[in-house]
Order: sequence, then structure tokens, then C-alpha cells
Amino acid sequence: QSVLTQPPSASGTPGQTVTFSCSGSSSNIEDNTVNWYQHIPGTAPKLVIYSNNERPSGVPARFSGSKSGTSASLAISGLQSEDEADYYCAAWDDSLNGVVFGGGTKVTVL
Amino acid sequence: EEQLAESGGDLVQIGGSLRLSCGGSGFTFGGYAMSWVRQAPGKGLEWVSGISGNGGRTYFAASVKGRFSISRDNSKNTLYLQMNSLRGDDTAVYFCARGLYGRFDSWGQGTLVAVSS
Repeated sequence: QSVLTQPPSASGTPGQTVTFSCSGSSSNIEDNTVNWYQHIPGTAPKLVIYSNNERPSGVPARFSGSKSGTSASLAISGLQSEDEADYYCAAWDDSLNGVVFGGGTKVTVL
Repeated sequence: EEQLAESGGDLVQIGGSLRLSCGGSGFTFGGYAMSWVRQAPGKGLEWVSGISGNGGRTYFAASVKGRFSISRDNSKNTLYLQMNSLRGDDTAVYFCARGLYGRFDSWGQGTLVAVSS
């Protein structure tokens, strides 16, 4: 069972917006920044959002992140078939003195 | 362009040991904290261990504390993970990643560790 809680799946049709959450606690999300990763099985994970809402160079503006209190969310607008992947949130946990990941959300493009 | 390449994954028996390596290129290796993250078959990503840029601070997940150690040789641009007392649930693809504190901005392709009886 992961320290950060994500819904196991989310889906949408091309062009739609899909949003999913990452729920934590005061020792991780509330007091530290949240980062999001896109992972296509068999490849290296890719950072898509860092510091709650910042996009690395090369990541499309369709990806956006937000945080409020002990929860964070990732939104993908203008959904494309290439966005089909597993998405993970991650943050530092002050109590565990380590990094915690969410269980992952599988995004399916219908 | 920064690149990371893991090596050392293998099939090992329960209770055995293995050392993974991760070579970095395209960036000032010693200027960055580094981490190991793993993914067991059918499971999600799990952070394993991290180390500061100069190697002075190390961090471990509870699941590996006391069994795994992390080190680095900045003169060789290489990160290591020494894994002892391996268990079946250590079976996973192990990724090295640049960064710590949850922000990993560059990843290797991973190396497979299979622990079997």
C-alpha cells in the first residue's frame, strides 16, 4: 500500500481533459513539493511536472499540476493517444526521511 | 545531453548479494544528488535509496535499510547500489535517477534483478 494515494485508472477520448489526484498527508505533500512522472512500461520514467506546477523543458503545455493542502492533481488537456501511460506522483516525506510515490494512475485514451 | 546507464543486474539466489552500477555522462556528475528507484513486476515505482552529491548523506527506504548500501565515485562518474541479504520481493527493474527529494529529472533504462530460490 502506497503512502500517496492515486486512483488506479483514468480515461478520456482524444481532445478531452483528464484530471486525477494524489492524496497524502502533512508530512509529505503539505510540507513538500510534488512531482509527477509519466511511465510507459519498458522505458525510462519521464518527469512531466516538478515543484507542484512547473513543466520541464520539452513537456507540452497540455500537462499541468496543482497542489492544495495534502492533495495534488495532474491534468492533461487536449488528450492524445501518446499520453497513454502510467502516471506517478512523488514527494519527500519528512517523517520517513525518504521519497514516497503514489501507486500510479493508468491513463487510457479511448 | 545527460545520460545514465545501469549495469550489474542478474539472477541471484535468496540471501545472495549483488552490486549495481550506474554511469553518468553529459553533466557534472558530482554536482547532483542521485537515487535508485525500482519497479517490481506488476507493481508501481518504489524509491530505494538516495545519496548527496558529495556522498556525505545517504537515505534508504525502510524496506532495504540495513541490507542495501549506496555509494558513488565522482572521479568515475559512477553510482553504486550494494544489495545484500536479497529477498524474493527485491526482484525488480532498478533505475538510477538524477536527483533526490522526489524530483528526478533524468533516468536510466533500468537493469533487472531477479531473486530466486
